Amino acid sequence: GAGVSQSPSNKVTEKGKDVELRCDPISGHTALYWYRQSLGQGLEFLIYFQGNSAPDKSGLPSDRFSAERTGGSVSTLTIQRTQQEDSAVYLCASSHARPGKVYNEQFFGPGTRLTVL
Amino acid sequence: QKEVEQDPGPLSVPEGAIVSLNCTYSNSAFQYFMWYRQYSRKGPELLMYTYSSGNKEDGRFTAQVDKSSKYISLFIRDSQPSDSATYLCAMSLPMTTDSWGKLQFGAGTQVVVTP
Repeated sequence: GAGVSQSPSNKVTEKGKDVELRCDPISGHTALYWYRQSLGQGLEFLIYFQGNSAPDKSGLPSDRFSAERTGGSVSTLTIQRTQQEDSAVYLCASSHARPGKVYNEQFFGPGTRLTVL
Repeated sequence: QKEVEQDPGPLSVPEGAIVSLNCTYSNSAFQYFMWYRQYSRKGPELLMYTYSSGNKEDGRFTAQVDKSSKYISLFIRDSQPSDSATYLCAMSLPMTTDSWGKLQFGAGTQVVVTP
């Protein structure tokens, strides 16, 4: 079946503009995660959803970042008033995982490469 | 200091050699330990995961976790040029915590296997 998809694959924007990044998880996966990968860096956790709620949003770097998930499926990460330091690859992952269950693999999408000029 | 430390490399080895990768971490509460492989401009893919301490083998790959030393390793035997990629270690807290879904990644080690 289809994997995790993300759109757009590339986004170039000007400093100060708002951007929306979209993630379509694998069908049936209840958990959805957003990470950010800066050049030469590992992945930095941003937020995760279980269903439509976000038990852990501790990784959002500032109040310019927000995310929502509707219908337990698609998620949107919004960055307001973008800054040059927001330039990175934004990765989304999904999994079957639920609290109390055996660990389940997080499947990653290809990412959205964001460049803020 | 980062919670998970990983040498970024690059690590260059000849084809057929053993690749040895490792990470150290500071949070003794981590319980799940993973290795991901990431090709250029692709998302990471899970290679192996281990629960708590011990060894796990899958084909040419062996993962080791030493919780007493807060040290994890990945070995790739008989390396191939197709193994050239960035390898990321990751770990997570027990499933009973609110933050169980969050993976803490190392910086990734770039591996180049030369023919």
